[in-house]
Amino acid sequence: GENVEQHPSTLSVQEGDSAVIKCTYSDSASNYFPWYKQELGKRPQLIIDIRSNVGEKKDQRIAVTLNKTAKHFSLHITETQPEDSAVYFCAANPNFGNEKLTFGTGTRLTIIP
Amino acid sequence: DAGVIQSPRHEVTEMGQEVTLRCKPISGHNSLFWYRQTMMRGLELLIYFNNNVPIDDSGMPEDRFSAKMPNASFSTLKIQPSEPRDSAVYFCASSLMGFGNQPQHFGDGTRLSIL
Repeated sequence: GENVEQHPSTLSVQEGDSAVIKCTYSDSASNYFPWYKQELGKRPQLIIDIRSNVGEKKDQRIAVTLNKTAKHFSLHITETQPEDSAVYFCAANPNFGNEKLTFGTGTRLTIIP
Repeated sequence: DAGVIQSPRHEVTEMGQEVTLRCKPISGHNSLFWYRQTMMRGLELLIYFNNNVPIDDSGMPEDRFSAKMPNASFSTLKIQPSEPRDSAVYFCASSLMGFGNQPQHFGDGTRLSIL
């Protein structure tokens, strides 16, 4: 089955600086890669996703890049703010027509004011 | 849009008791997912339904767990008998399956504690 590895497990960044979280996946057939943000005690919320037919997608301060050859994708947050502090999860979907997501282990991001 | 609705939000019960978690997906969504989240195992998929039919239940831990979706607007996850190691946050999510993958939207979860 699909295996998703996520690094780092914790990340502290000065407010205003950029944060990068990286994930690798094992199944070359994977074609959908969402990112979720989970604040303490809250539900995971989708913040951005990318499909295998594009290499990069951006939404305001958030961007995701995908390298299918290397089987890795990354989340980039620029101009970080205190409200960006949360746990971030990447995920991958291994098969078209099967909606099963395999999640990474999460990155706890702390923005230092 | 009311979002995915789960009940109860919190459940505390003694081991051996039956536990039933409930979920109402977003109206119009045709796929429903049950996840379990723990510190040790992270976020793991237990089972998912498409058009009320179970598609993948490979994540269901054992026979003590069962899930049903009798109609498009309601699903249950049942644990019988419950054990302390079942303590976790259980999330339900829904999506609109179509051409290609669609975003999954999570409910607020049920925090389950088995004493």
